[in-house]
Formats: sequence, structure tokens, C-alpha cells
Amino acid sequence: AQSVAQPEDQVNVAEGNPLTVKCTYSVSGNPYLFWYVQYPNRGLQFLLKYITGDNLVKGSYGFEAEFNKSQTSFHLKKPSALVSDSALYFCAVRDYYSSASKIIFGSGTRLSIRP
Amino acid sequence: GAVVSQHPSRVICKSGTSVKIECRSLDFQATTMFWYRQFPKQSLMLMATSNEGSKATYEQGVEKDKFLINHASLTLSTLTVTSAHPEDSSFYICSASLGDHSSPLHFGNGTRLTVT
Repeated sequence: AQSVAQPEDQVNVAEGNPLTVKCTYSVSGNPYLFWYVQYPNRGLQFLLKYITGDNLVKGSYGFEAEFNKSQTSFHLKKPSALVSDSALYFCAVRDYYSSASKIIFGSGTRLSIRP
Repeated sequence: GAVVSQHPSRVICKSGTSVKIECRSLDFQATTMFWYRQFPKQSLMLMATSNEGSKATYEQGVEKDKFLINHASLTLSTLTVTSAHPEDSSFYICSASLGDHSSPLHFGNGTRLTVT
């Protein structure tokens, strides 16, 4: 069975500082990994994904994520946070080998950037 | 590209009535759409997978007679909440994928349902 964990309900960062939102996953095969962002009363927006290749993936709005197979992690990062980055962030995983697998979402991490 | 439109964005209905939510893929064809429910401060719960031209696949614990899903065309899926109760009040979000397993999901903006 596949699963994904976001250990932090909330992350608080000062504007201009680097930010990290943590994500760990579990799949039986190789993972497809995704990050999404959700603003209040809106659907989710796709930020970036890891499929294969370079472990460092760059996405929208200056975000990036690093795939670490040994630690089964896919942490979201940004070198310099903006107040506008404040939102709810979801990590998601899908099993590469299972045609019937669904995308499983983590519980979400609320990112709050203070001016 | 890959825009998913969900309508209505907000609806208030009385207990016992039915509410239909539409999900359209505007610039692509979606053979599969997904319906999620999101409770306050919680993650998304997959309710069902909607397949064009066939019956939806419901997740365990989701009442298929209460949450009717129809995927009549490659660009439209509908979720009907029948005989709504206050506990059905929630945020419902649809999504669609452009292609294979490596493709991300594209989400509608969600529907806030309030049952009074």
C-alpha cells in the first residue's frame, strides 16, 4: 500500500528566509511524487513533480523539491519566502508500477510567511 | 492549458433536496475524473473515480446511491448529492488528468456545499 506523510501541520517562516515543507512517502515500487498548493476556498494547483532523472526538481513560483530515495523523502523548498507563499501545501504520491494506483495525498502543511 | 472548471462555486440547499455539481475539462478530454471531499483543516478524501461511458468506481465507505456520479462525455462529469443532510456540508473538488500516471492532476476550484 502506498502512503504519504507530512509531519508538520504548520510551518512559520519570516519573509526572505528559506523554507522547507517536509514530505515522506511509502510505495511498493518506484514513486511518482507531486506537490500542490491550495489557496483558501480554491482547488489545488500543481507546483512540481518527480518522475525520474535529476533528484532536484524545479517548479512554479520558485519552488523546488529534492527526491531522496534512501530517506524516502520529497521535501519542498524555496530559497527566499514571500508573504504570498502563505497557503496550504500538499504532497502526493503514486505508485509507478501499479496501473490501478491512485494519487494519495498527505494531510497538508499550512505555510505561514510573516512580513 | 489543462483547465478544469467546476460549477457552482458555492451552493446552499435545504435538507432533503438534491444538488448537482458539474466538472468540465475546458481544453482537453478527460477519460477519467476524480471527485474529492475536503473537510476543514483536513486533507482530500477521494470519493470516487469517474470513468467516461462507464460506472464510477467508489471508494470504500462512500455511498454510491447518495453521491451519484455521471461521466457522460469526455469533458463533463457531474456529482449529485441526493437527499442532502447537514453532515454532507463540505468542500467538494473535482480533478482530471491529461494522460498517464506521470501526469499531474488538474483541479477545479471546488464547490462549497452548505446544507441547512
